[in-house]
Amino acid sequence: SQWGEENLQALSIQEGEDVTMNCSYKTYTTVVHWYRQDSGRGPALIILIRSNEREKRSGRLRATLDTSSQSSSLSITAAQCEDTAVYFCATGTNTGKLTFGDGTVLTVKP
Amino acid sequence: DAGVTQTPRHEVAEKGQTIILKCEPVSGHNDLFWYRQTKIQGLELLSYFRSKSLMEDGGAFKDRFKAEMLNSSFSTLKIQPTEPKDSAVYLCASSFGTGGPEVFFGKGTRLTVV
Repeated sequence: SQWGEENLQALSIQEGEDVTMNCSYKTYTTVVHWYRQDSGRGPALIILIRSNEREKRSGRLRATLDTSSQSSSLSITAAQCEDTAVYFCATGTNTGKLTFGDGTVLTVKP
Repeated sequence: DAGVTQTPRHEVAEKGQTIILKCEPVSGHNDLFWYRQTKIQGLELLSYFRSKSLMEDGGAFKDRFKAEMLNSSFSTLKIQPTEPKDSAVYLCASSFGTGGPEVFFGKGTRLTVV
Protein backbone atom coordinates (compact mmCIF):
# COMPACT_ATOMS: atom_id res chain seq x y z
CA SER A 1 0.00 0.00 0.00
CA GLN A 2 1.10 3.54 -0.68
CA TRP A 3 0.05 4.44 2.79
CA GLY A 4 1.06 3.40 6.27
CA GLU A 5 -1.17 1.42 8.55
CA GLU A 6 -4.15 3.68 8.46
CA ASN A 7 -7.85 2.94 8.59
CA LEU A 8 -10.72 5.33 8.18
CA GLN A 9 -10.51 7.58 11.22
CA ALA A 10 -13.18 9.65 12.87
CA LEU A 11 -12.79 13.00 14.60
CA SER A 12 -15.53 14.93 16.38
CA ILE A 13 -14.98 18.52 17.49
CA GLN A 14 -16.96 21.55 18.56
CA GLU A 15 -17.54 24.48 16.28
CA GLY A 16 -14.76 27.03 16.65
CA GLU A 17 -12.05 24.52 17.52
CA ASP A 18 -8.98 23.88 15.44
CA VAL A 19 -8.30 20.43 14.04
CA THR A 20 -5.37 18.72 12.35
CA MET A 21 -5.44 15.57 10.24
CA ASN A 22 -2.29 13.67 9.38
CA CYS A 23 -1.17 11.41 6.59
CA SER A 24 2.01 9.48 5.96
CA TYR A 25 3.05 7.88 2.69
CA LYS A 26 5.54 5.24 1.69
CA THR A 27 6.70 6.02 -1.84
CA TYR A 28 8.04 9.07 -3.64
CA THR A 29 5.56 11.75 -4.56
CA THR A 30 5.81 15.15 -6.18
CA VAL A 31 2.56 16.42 -4.78
CA VAL A 32 0.09 15.78 -1.99
CA HIS A 33 -3.55 16.53 -2.62
CA TRP A 34 -6.15 17.03 0.07
CA TYR A 35 -9.74 16.35 -0.91
CA ARG A 36 -12.99 16.63 0.95
CA GLN A 37 -16.02 14.54 0.18
CA ASP A 38 -19.52 15.51 1.15
CA SER A 39 -22.27 12.95 1.41
CA GLY A 40 -23.56 11.89 -2.01
CA ARG A 41 -20.80 13.64 -3.91
CA GLY A 42 -17.41 12.82 -5.33
CA PRO A 43 -14.21 14.11 -3.70
CA ALA A 44 -13.31 17.73 -4.38
CA LEU A 45 -9.81 19.20 -4.17
CA ILE A 46 -9.39 21.71 -1.35
CA ILE A 47 -5.63 22.22 -1.25
CA LEU A 48 -2.59 20.90 -3.08
CA ILE A 49 0.99 21.07 -1.84
CA ARG A 50 4.02 20.28 -3.98
CA SER A 51 7.26 18.66 -2.89
CA ASN A 52 9.14 21.99 -3.01
CA GLU A 53 6.67 23.58 -0.58
CA ARG A 54 6.65 23.07 3.18
CA GLU A 55 3.40 24.88 3.84
CA LYS A 56 0.40 26.04 1.88
CA ARG A 57 -2.52 28.11 3.07
CA SER A 58 -5.98 28.64 1.68
CA GLY A 59 -8.42 30.55 3.85
CA ARG A 60 -8.86 28.58 7.08
CA LEU A 61 -6.94 25.61 5.66
CA ARG A 62 -3.26 24.98 6.13
CA ALA A 63 -1.39 22.05 4.62
CA THR A 64 2.15 21.02 5.46
CA LEU A 65 4.46 18.60 3.76
CA ASP A 66 7.59 17.01 5.18
CA THR A 67 9.26 15.02 2.44
CA SER A 68 11.97 13.73 4.79
CA SER A 69 9.41 11.99 7.00
CA GLN A 70 7.01 11.45 4.08
CA SER A 71 4.11 12.99 5.93
CA SER A 72 1.54 15.68 5.38
CA SER A 73 -1.03 17.40 7.55
CA LEU A 74 -4.17 19.40 6.99
CA SER A 75 -5.30 21.88 9.62
CA ILE A 76 -8.60 23.70 9.78
CA THR A 77 -8.75 26.79 11.92
CA ALA A 78 -11.97 27.71 13.74
CA ALA A 79 -13.90 24.79 12.28
CA GLN A 80 -17.50 25.36 11.26
CA CYS A 81 -20.38 22.94 10.93
CA GLU A 82 -20.09 23.09 7.15
CA ASP A 83 -16.58 21.63 7.44
CA THR A 84 -18.21 18.31 8.35
CA ALA A 85 -17.07 15.89 5.64
CA VAL A 86 -14.64 13.09 4.89
CA TYR A 87 -11.12 14.34 4.20
CA PHE A 88 -8.66 12.38 2.09
CA CYS A 89 -5.03 12.86 1.34
CA ALA A 90 -3.69 11.55 -1.96
CA THR A 91 -0.28 11.32 -3.52
CA GLY A 92 0.53 11.78 -7.17
CA THR A 93 3.41 12.12 -9.58
CA ASN A 94 3.60 13.94 -12.87
CA THR A 95 0.57 12.12 -14.15
CA GLY A 96 -2.86 12.75 -12.78
CA LYS A 97 -3.01 9.32 -11.20
CA LEU A 98 -3.64 9.57 -7.49
CA THR A 99 -3.34 7.08 -4.66
CA PHE A 100 -5.71 7.85 -1.83
CA GLY A 101 -5.39 7.36 1.89
CA ASP A 102 -8.27 5.91 3.86
CA GLY A 103 -9.67 9.24 4.93
CA THR A 104 -10.81 11.00 8.09
CA VAL A 105 -14.46 11.51 8.93
CA LEU A 106 -14.68 14.94 10.52
CA THR A 107 -17.80 15.95 12.40
CA VAL A 108 -18.09 19.51 13.64
CA LYS A 109 -20.81 19.95 16.23
CA PRO A 110 -22.60 23.25 16.87
CA ASP B 1 -21.82 23.02 -15.18
CA ALA B 2 -18.91 21.63 -17.18
CA GLY B 3 -17.77 19.11 -14.57
CA VAL B 4 -17.56 15.32 -14.81
CA THR B 5 -20.95 13.80 -15.52
CA GLN B 6 -21.82 10.27 -14.50
CA THR B 7 -24.95 8.32 -15.30
CA PRO B 8 -26.91 6.75 -13.83
CA ARG B 9 -26.61 8.05 -10.26
CA HIS B 10 -28.07 4.85 -8.88
CA GLU B 11 -28.21 1.34 -10.29
CA VAL B 12 -29.71 -1.83 -8.88
CA ALA B 13 -28.74 -5.07 -10.56
CA GLU B 14 -29.40 -8.71 -9.94
CA LYS B 15 -26.46 -11.03 -9.50
CA GLY B 16 -25.20 -12.14 -12.89
CA GLN B 17 -26.46 -9.15 -14.83
CA THR B 18 -24.35 -6.91 -17.03
CA ILE B 19 -24.32 -3.24 -16.18
CA ILE B 20 -22.73 -0.31 -17.96
CA LEU B 21 -21.82 2.89 -16.21
CA LYS B 22 -21.20 6.05 -18.20
CA CYS B 23 -18.92 9.03 -17.77
CA GLU B 24 -18.35 12.30 -19.59
CA PRO B 25 -15.08 13.94 -18.49
CA VAL B 26 -14.39 17.65 -18.31
CA SER B 27 -13.98 18.97 -21.82
CA GLY B 28 -10.32 19.18 -22.82
CA HIS B 29 -9.04 16.84 -20.13
CA ASN B 30 -6.60 14.17 -21.31
CA ASP B 31 -6.72 11.76 -18.38
CA LEU B 32 -9.71 9.78 -17.22
CA PHE B 33 -9.94 7.55 -14.19
CA TRP B 34 -12.43 5.07 -12.81
CA TYR B 35 -12.36 4.47 -9.05
CA ARG B 36 -14.39 2.22 -6.82
CA GLN B 37 -15.24 3.44 -3.33
CA THR B 38 -16.29 1.27 -0.41
CA LYS B 39 -16.14 1.87 3.32
CA ILE B 40 -13.78 -1.05 3.82
CA GLN B 41 -11.38 -0.60 0.89
CA GLY B 42 -11.69 3.15 0.41
CA LEU B 43 -10.90 4.53 -3.05
CA GLU B 44 -9.41 1.93 -5.42
CA LEU B 45 -8.25 2.70 -8.95
CA LEU B 46 -9.96 0.52 -11.56
CA SER B 47 -8.73 2.04 -14.82
CA TYR B 48 -6.69 4.96 -16.09
CA PHE B 49 -6.77 6.38 -19.63
CA ARG B 50 -4.51 8.97 -21.14
CA SER B 51 -5.62 10.46 -24.45
CA LYS B 52 -8.03 7.52 -24.83
CA SER B 53 -5.27 4.91 -24.39
CA LEU B 54 -5.58 2.52 -21.50
CA MET B 55 -2.59 3.15 -19.23
CA GLU B 56 -3.55 1.03 -16.27
CA ASP B 57 -6.12 -1.64 -15.71
CA GLY B 58 -6.36 -2.53 -12.00
CA GLY B 59 -5.14 -6.09 -11.73
CA ALA B 60 -7.69 -7.26 -9.20
CA PHE B 61 -10.52 -6.00 -11.37
CA LYS B 62 -9.51 -7.32 -14.77
CA ASP B 63 -11.70 -10.37 -15.05
CA ARG B 64 -15.18 -8.87 -14.83
CA PHE B 65 -14.51 -5.17 -15.22
CA LYS B 66 -13.87 -3.52 -18.56
CA ALA B 67 -13.46 0.20 -19.10
CA GLU B 68 -13.48 1.72 -22.54
CA MET B 69 -12.97 5.17 -23.94
CA LEU B 70 -14.27 5.33 -27.48
CA ASN B 71 -13.73 9.05 -27.80
CA SER B 72 -12.22 11.83 -25.72
CA SER B 73 -15.56 12.86 -24.28
CA PHE B 74 -17.09 9.56 -23.24
CA SER B 75 -16.13 6.49 -21.27
CA THR B 76 -17.94 3.40 -20.06
CA LEU B 77 -17.31 0.88 -17.32
CA LYS B 78 -18.87 -2.52 -17.88
CA ILE B 79 -19.22 -5.05 -15.10
CA GLN B 80 -20.08 -8.52 -16.36
CA PRO B 81 -21.36 -10.55 -14.61
CA THR B 82 -22.14 -8.56 -11.49
CA GLU B 83 -21.71 -10.03 -8.03
CA PRO B 84 -23.02 -8.75 -4.67
CA LYS B 85 -19.47 -7.79 -3.67
CA ASP B 86 -19.47 -5.27 -6.50
CA SER B 87 -21.91 -3.11 -4.54
CA ALA B 88 -20.08 0.20 -4.16
CA VAL B 89 -19.90 3.76 -5.43
CA TYR B 90 -18.13 4.02 -8.78
CA LEU B 91 -16.44 7.35 -9.37
CA CYS B 92 -15.19 8.75 -12.63
CA ALA B 93 -12.60 11.51 -12.63
CA SER B 94 -10.61 13.50 -15.16
CA SER B 95 -7.64 15.84 -15.29
CA PHE B 96 -5.34 17.62 -17.75
CA GLY B 97 -2.75 14.99 -16.97
CA THR B 98 0.58 16.76 -16.36
CA GLY B 99 2.37 18.31 -13.41
CA GLY B 100 0.30 16.75 -10.64
CA PRO B 101 -2.83 18.68 -11.52
CA GLU B 102 -6.21 18.78 -9.92
CA VAL B 103 -8.39 15.76 -10.53
CA PHE B 104 -12.08 16.49 -10.91
CA PHE B 105 -14.55 13.86 -9.78
CA GLY B 106 -18.09 13.14 -10.81
CA LYS B 107 -20.82 12.54 -8.26
CA GLY B 108 -20.55 8.81 -8.71
CA THR B 109 -22.87 5.92 -9.44
CA ARG B 110 -24.10 3.93 -6.48
CA LEU B 111 -24.38 0.30 -7.55
CA THR B 112 -26.31 -2.23 -5.52
CA VAL B 113 -26.16 -5.87 -6.59
CA VAL B 114 -28.78 -8.12 -5.05
